[in-house]
Amino acid sequence: IQMTQSPSSLSASLGDRVTITCRASQGMGNFLAWYQQRPGKVPKFLIHAASTLQSGVPSRFSGSGSGTDFTLTISSLQPEDVATYYCQRYNSAPLTFGGGTKVEIK
Amino acid sequence: QVQLVESGGGVVQPGTSLRLSCAASGFTFSNYGMHWVRQAPGKGLDWVAVISSDGSNKFYVDSVKGRFTISRDNSKNTLYLQMSSLRVDDTAVYFCTKDGSSGWYGGSDNWGQGTLVTVSS
Repeated sequence: IQMTQSPSSLSASLGDRVTITCRASQGMGNFLAWYQQRPGKVPKFLIHAASTLQSGVPSRFSGSGSGTDFTLTISSLQPEDVATYYCQRYNSAPLTFGGGTKVEIK
Repeated sequence: QVQLVESGGGVVQPGTSLRLSCAASGFTFSNYGMHWVRQAPGKGLDWVAVISSDGSNKFYVDSVKGRFTISRDNSKNTLYLQMSSLRVDDTAVYFCTKDGSSGWYGGSDNWGQGTLVTVSS
């Protein structure tokens, strides 16, 4: 089962709204997680069940979708959001990650 | 707070074996599923294996099936990954992660710092 993220990279201005898409090759309900990996750091768990924010994650992050199409949105891009973002399916093995989306500041 | 500390990485030759360990603390280890996730240098995340809280269920990515074995010792709060027939493309940082559930349906909510495995002749 493939998880396809798009775009693979993006450059946006501070304060911009940023949207990342993750598409599954088969339906998977809402068993989708999003992770943030800042440069040189360990991945951080942002969202589970497609739209539930982990405790402590800023409210400018949001997730939506179910079935095969999911999105991660950053409502107002901040400098600390520079990172690579990964989606992951977890309804059944293999718990495949998407290829990642690198977010940079323009 | 949750702590996951991996150990056992190093430089090995192709075809050899290595065992990784992950010492867990700060939570009731026996209640949660655990994963190994790897990341090759400059590449994305690659899920490797999961084991349920009681060790009764284990799943692997196809590329490691028959070569890697995930296990756990709940009395020692430790997760293991026994790797054999290592290949050059197994070179990666290996992360131990805690699932948010007793199985694999909660996402990886905590990550260790990782241990580097380099397979090279």
